Amino acid sequence: EAQVTQNPRYLITVTGKKLTVTCSQNMNHEYMSWYRQDPGLGLRQIYYSMNVEVTDKGDVPEGYKVSRKEKRNFPLILESPSPNQTSLYFCASSLVGGRETQYFGPGTRLLVL
Amino acid sequence: GQNIDQPTEMTATEGAIVQINCTYQTSGFNGLFWYQQHAGEAPTFLSYNVLDGLEEKGRFSSFLSRSKGYSYLLLKELQMKDSASYLCAVRNQAGTALIFGKGTTLSVSS
Repeated sequence: EAQVTQNPRYLITVTGKKLTVTCSQNMNHEYMSWYRQDPGLGLRQIYYSMNVEVTDKGDVPEGYKVSRKEKRNFPLILESPSPNQTSLYFCASSLVGGRETQYFGPGTRLLVL
Repeated sequence: GQNIDQPTEMTATEGAIVQINCTYQTSGFNGLFWYQQHAGEAPTFLSYNVLDGLEEKGRFSSFLSRSKGYSYLLLKELQMKDSASYLCAVRNQAGTALIFGKGTTLSVSS
């Protein structure tokens, strides 16, 4: 089944404790992206990757890192999480261009205390 | 700047037709997408427009006017399961990002 998976789905952590949210897709998509969704603000892009070893900042990259060592994986790293990073996070992937829509993972709900 | 506007909330009854509008002002344009999102779930793709006009897909249709920076999503024969948030998103010129509106929460009642 074609899908984007994220782990963990739910996470409660404390300020300053490094964490990684994994994202994996099995559709051989070149493009992958991370978003956060907050009430009243909608979906905002954190980082994206156009292909292996090619990453760039989105609209809200502060406090986050990413890597793209393999085509299928695009982990999101929070080196020192803070309470303002409490949010619902979505990973998405797509082929590049044309009518290609982005396929979203199920989401990771993060609470930073 | 980039700005995408949609109404925050709409209500409708089962069997009715509802139109959700989206206006956008973006520095570039490379297609407009509509997504449906049920509470706590991932957005799922509904429609895509890149040229002016209407795209029809079953009970859902989407319209685009690039000169007016305007799109709408039309939902016909509403069902209770259509209660969800509907997200309008514009892809930037480079194709590197989707810029999302804040979403329209649609409540369908019987």
